Amino acid sequence: DAGVIQSPRHEVTEMGQEVTLRCKPISGHDYLFWYRQTMMRGLELLIYFNNNVPIDDSGMPEDRFSAKMPNASFSTLKIQPSEPRDSAVYFCASSLAPDTQYFGPGTRLTVL
Amino acid sequence: GDSVTQMEGPVTLSEEAFLTINCTYTATGYPSLFWYVQYPGEGLQLLLKATKADDKGSNKGFEATYRKETTSFHLEKGSVQVSDSAVYFCALRANQGGKLIFGQGTELSVKP
Repeated sequence: DAGVIQSPRHEVTEMGQEVTLRCKPISGHDYLFWYRQTMMRGLELLIYFNNNVPIDDSGMPEDRFSAKMPNASFSTLKIQPSEPRDSAVYFCASSLAPDTQYFGPGTRLTVL
Repeated sequence: GDSVTQMEGPVTLSEEAFLTINCTYTATGYPSLFWYVQYPGEGLQLLLKATKADDKGSNKGFEATYRKETTSFHLEKGSVQVSDSAVYFCALRANQGGKLIFGQGTELSVKP
């Protein structure tokens, strides 16, 4: 059974470029979470969805970040324009009801 | 607001040593408590959980008991192995909503 799938696994881009991170949750899960992990700030929740609807986006750093979930099997996190301070590992996680979250392998983003 | 505090790392132990990683929390109501583990280059994986006071979660030789009176959920293992080297995260989920609040993580290094 496939776990949470994220793409790309690594992304290197230049400051000012648009970056799109993708996530496919585990089939049947109704919650989806986006996290960011850095050495300085640890693991931060950016936004989460329930049944494709954003529930809490209070962790989204600023207007440059946006997330969508057009259907139950796909979500995107977009950064436009990207900045060097956005460099981090971005994790997607999903869960069935508010219970155990299953994490994807992460996308390592480097903004030069 | 809700928060989780873990002991600072890194923790360095010899193989077969006893492990304790302290975790305390602040929350209203009766949260569920979790320990997640992150191996190098991977996403977080659930290690164990407890959903009510005095519950003991256990998995792979690790244990943690939900202590409401001391607001703690300390992780223990009687005999660590080199393969246990990882970063360990304590987390809570308030009784409403799907959001997890994570501690800052504790790095464990086990030497042969």
